[in-house]
Amino acid sequence: QKEVEQDPGPLSVPEGAIVSLNCTYSNSAFQYFMWYRQYSRKGPELLMYTYSSGNKEDGRFTAQVDKSSKYISLFIRDSQPSDSATYLCAMSLPAGRRALTFGSGTRLQVQP
Amino acid sequence: DGGITQSPKYLFRKEGQNVTLSCEQNLNHDAMYWYRQDPGQGLRLIYYSQIVNDFQKGDIAEGYSVSREKKESFPLTVTSAQKNPTAFYLCASSGDTQYFGPGTRLTVL
Repeated sequence: QKEVEQDPGPLSVPEGAIVSLNCTYSNSAFQYFMWYRQYSRKGPELLMYTYSSGNKEDGRFTAQVDKSSKYISLFIRDSQPSDSATYLCAMSLPAGRRALTFGSGTRLQVQP
Repeated sequence: DGGITQSPKYLFRKEGQNVTLSCEQNLNHDAMYWYRQDPGQGLRLIYYSQIVNDFQKGDIAEGYSVSREKKESFPLTVTSAQKNPTAFYLCASSGDTQYFGPGTRLTVL
């Protein structure tokens, strides 16, 4: 079983839709949670970073963490064709090895 | 202009060759990382370094080697012992959060 599970998609939505992307994890020691966006053949770019349960909002993006259920989500409001990309969830331990453990990524296509 | 640079963007390797991928950062980060990404998969950790002159193996270190002689630089060598090296290689550095370079695509001929 992978430490981090993420539905690979692809997920296709019409422009303006609300998108929900999710990851589950098995290691309760993870404390820091991130969402990255990756366009084709590019490096991932950091979208959201959080270290506590609850919601964090940044513009059209909302990250949600539920540590009791070991479940994290990213919501995208008013989705745009430019949001079409692969979204990677990632998480890390609080100390020691701080490298990230990634989900496999969800490919999102927003149709104009 | 702060950031992480990787070179080359594309690299072709013949069977039995060693090749070295470059990674430089000017973010003044202590920690640096190398990940490998295969099609349709997430990133897997190859090596990481939390301080100059020190580095640790990640989850898939076999067939790879690194050095960390300067804070700004963390080159990765893909050796002939790596049996399936064709992949997209990403370098990252971190302070509070982790940032990535643009990647190097390595293809074995």
